Amino acid sequence: NAGVTQTPKFQVLKTGQSMTLQCAQDMNHEYMSWYRQDPGMGLRLIHYSVGAGITDQGEVPNGYNVSRSTTEDFPLRLLSAAPSQTSVYFCASRTSEGNYGYTFGSGTRLTVV
Amino acid sequence: GQSLEQPSEVTAVEGAIVQINCTYQTSGFYGLSWYQQHDGGAPTFLSYNGLDGLEETGRFSSFLSRSDSYGYLLLQELQMKDSASYFCAVDYGQNFVFGPGTRLSVLP
Repeated sequence: NAGVTQTPKFQVLKTGQSMTLQCAQDMNHEYMSWYRQDPGMGLRLIHYSVGAGITDQGEVPNGYNVSRSTTEDFPLRLLSAAPSQTSVYFCASRTSEGNYGYTFGSGTRLTVV
Repeated sequence: GQSLEQPSEVTAVEGAIVQINCTYQTSGFYGLSWYQQHDGGAPTFLSYNGLDGLEETGRFSSFLSRSDSYGYLLLQELQMKDSASYFCAVDYGQNFVFGPGTRLSVLP
């Protein structure tokens, strides 16, 4: 049981490049979310999903796309990277049943130059 | 709208008790949860309050009062390893909204 796995752990992009941050969970969780965390700040919700084929926007969705073709995978796509997207990105999942919190992945540290 | 407030920093000595408050201006949520995050690490789930009152998990307790729009995390018998950032988060079912976090420093 690996929990939530994020890849890559570190990435440097040039402005205008695109890339996909991968997220996979093996706990059969229905709910998955992507958050970004900037220095000294809390976590801001980018996009979330309540199940395969269902996604919705969070607080800061501009510049990002998501899809959820399977329960396990929830990739985050940066369409055209900008320096403002330099951040730490966390993927998280949780079950829809009961009072449980999110399980977070280890994060992807992204720098856009 | 959704707004959570936490103190930015709290300092306490080893062995002491510390309370981290979370006030919010929102409604229609399922519960309030708490997360711990060490520097360079990922947030880890600590506790969840679906109902008003106190929830106890070992040295950590969490409290929620919906009528007062207020919750807190209580850490007892502080240890050096408790030095970390602590976040409250409101559960809207499909997603959580996190507070800005409180940095706890535990001194020897």
